[in-house]
Amino acid sequence: SQELEQSPQSLIVQEGKNLTINCTSSKTLYGLYWYKQKYGEGLIFLMMLQKGGEEKSHEKITAKLDEKKQQSSLHITASQPSHAGIYLCGGGLTNFGNEKLTFGTGTRLTIIP
Amino acid sequence: SQTIHQWPATLVQPVGSPLSLECTVEGTSNPNLYWYRQAAGRGLQLLFYSVGIGQISSEVPQNLSASRPQDRQFILSSKKLLLSDSGFYLCAWSSHRGRGNTEAFFGQGTRLTVV
Repeated sequence: SQELEQSPQSLIVQEGKNLTINCTSSKTLYGLYWYKQKYGEGLIFLMMLQKGGEEKSHEKITAKLDEKKQQSSLHITASQPSHAGIYLCGGGLTNFGNEKLTFGTGTRLTIIP
Repeated sequence: SQTIHQWPATLVQPVGSPLSLECTVEGTSNPNLYWYRQAAGRGLQLLFYSVGIGQISSEVPQNLSASRPQDRQFILSSKKLLLSDSGFYLCAWSSHRGRGNTEAFFGQGTRLTVV
């Protein structure tokens, strides 16, 4: 079974609208990472969260990690075509940190005009 | 600065043929190393990870194997490819514990098509 689940699996959003992607772990996360990927390319690092309750923002993207460190959300405000792609959450699942770095199922984001 | 090299970028191999994908990291020492596979438009499946030379952890039983003959070299192999081995393979590295957690840095990937 997948240790990290993302929802939704795909998302179609009109340009300018806000959206949220969720990531849920069956285990405590020792480091939570958000990446973006364009099809067939490598991953672009967005943000890393480590502490329960932590929140970070970069441009129009905000990521949060819950207090129990088992759930994270990625929120995009006023979406743009450049936000389209596959969003992946990754987490360290051992208390040695990121040695076993597992990723979620991915969310495919499409922005329509 | 650190860099990661992964090759080849694309590969077409017949069923039953062997496979060797190589990944090397520069500019760091004793990294954690990873091999992932990604099906079209899906998430990343962790195949193998390594915390040191000769130390390989396998996450998914399959006909693939991994080796780490040198500190910054990670190799993904198969003796006989199956059609189901087709996919996008990504190598990555992260800093070793004791240096604090960092994000993983990814190679550009290898698109493998088994025919």
